[in-house]
Amino acid sequence: GAGVSQSPSNKVTEKGKDVELRCDPISGHTALYWYRQSLGQGLEFLIYFQGNSAPDKSGLPSDRFSAERTGGSVSTLTIQRTQQEDSAVYLCASSFGKLREKLFFGSGTQLSVL
Amino acid sequence: DQQVKQNSPSLSVQEGRISILNCDYTNSMFDYFLWYKKYPAEGPTFLISISSIKDKNEDGRFTVFLNKSAKHLSLHIVPSQPGDSAVYFCAASVGNNRLAFGKGNQVVVIP
Repeated sequence: GAGVSQSPSNKVTEKGKDVELRCDPISGHTALYWYRQSLGQGLEFLIYFQGNSAPDKSGLPSDRFSAERTGGSVSTLTIQRTQQEDSAVYLCASSFGKLREKLFFGSGTQLSVL
Repeated sequence: DQQVKQNSPSLSVQEGRISILNCDYTNSMFDYFLWYKKYPAEGPTFLISISSIKDKNEDGRFTVFLNKSAKHLSLHIVPSQPGDSAVYFCAASVGNNRLAFGKGNQVVVIP
């Protein structure tokens, strides 16, 4: 597709379950970002992948959060033992990785933890 | 801590009038500033940006002003159109691509 694709668009899960969120970046984009937006808050940086470099994981809120990027393309954000405070919209973005380049965002995954 | 702050979470403006959105930041090291626009159920889309070496950048109906001494920037939309109704996020970065975002401002343009 032409844009950043995220799946699922909505996910409802029970507290304590694990969830996986998927992101397909724009073809050719070497940089991939995960952000989340909790209700009433701004976008919170989670993790950043750039090419083959080690990812910048400094925004991950706890060790229950992890992310992978396979083959420099698709990324999966995994949240283990979900908590109610994990409920948010999880947004993925990609770019060519040049400095000060605009990011292209997907539509996000709305995660609801009951 | 919130390094990028957007107060006055919502703004209503008549079509054809000017919309002014404000953004304050606390990190004096920020050197690049952006505005993103977000419609419901969609991801944010880039709107306009400004480097810290400038104090104004204009793109059509959108102008961003930067006041470094006050650590303040603003977005002017003139004339406002109904299609401008959206949430606007201010964002900033420090020499890298990791952006710090504000909480957003809801703009409603009344036809």
